[in-house]
Amino acid sequence: DTAVSQTPKYLVTQMGNDKSIKCEQNLGHDTMYWYKQDSKKFLKIMFSYNNKELIINETVPNRFSPKSPDKAHLNLHINSLELGDSAVYFCASSPGLLQSTEAFFGQGTRLTVV
Amino acid sequence: GDSVTQMEGPVTLSEEAFLTINCTYTATGYPSLFWYVQYPGEGLQLLLKATKADDKGSNKGFEATYRKETTSFHLEKGSVQVSDSAVYFCALTGSGNTGKLIFGQGTTLQVKP
Repeated sequence: DTAVSQTPKYLVTQMGNDKSIKCEQNLGHDTMYWYKQDSKKFLKIMFSYNNKELIINETVPNRFSPKSPDKAHLNLHINSLELGDSAVYFCASSPGLLQSTEAFFGQGTRLTVV
Repeated sequence: GDSVTQMEGPVTLSEEAFLTINCTYTATGYPSLFWYVQYPGEGLQLLLKATKADDKGSNKGFEATYRKETTSFHLEKGSVQVSDSAVYFCALTGSGNTGKLIFGQGTTLQVKP
């Protein structure tokens, strides 16, 4: 069983479109995250949710809207896609917010905006 | 703010060579330190971690020691294999209990037979 699963794995879309990426974890974790990996492989956090409550929103354009319907799911909706949104988006989860807690990552969604 | 700096890659080694990937950090408080590995086309996997000064994390022949005095967490392996070829990320948990990971820029390792 996949611990953190994202769909789709690949997403190619035109500028201006709206798209969503879904994430589910079956680890029973309380905390979920979205990270963005750019073309140079640099990883940066975008959002985190703890028990469905938004904890971190890292100066991400408001075209990006996360939604957590329950603790096991964290979806990412992106409006009016731009070329610069092309990246790999990783969902992750962790048991909680403690500094010692490790995160478990999904396989990533490679978004290409053309 | 908190930050992580890794040595520039790519690193190219022959099989059975000794590996060191340097990682230094800047942080307030007492972060936990991690090494994650990303194999081609895959997500990140935790390789090892250390949660306090002088702790040594180890896994699959890789080791790293949390050195507070030098603010470092260098990754080492005595004998690399072709299957170790991947991108390695050093990371720390940011200040405050948010679970946020701050990553270094990643180091690509290529091991040749």
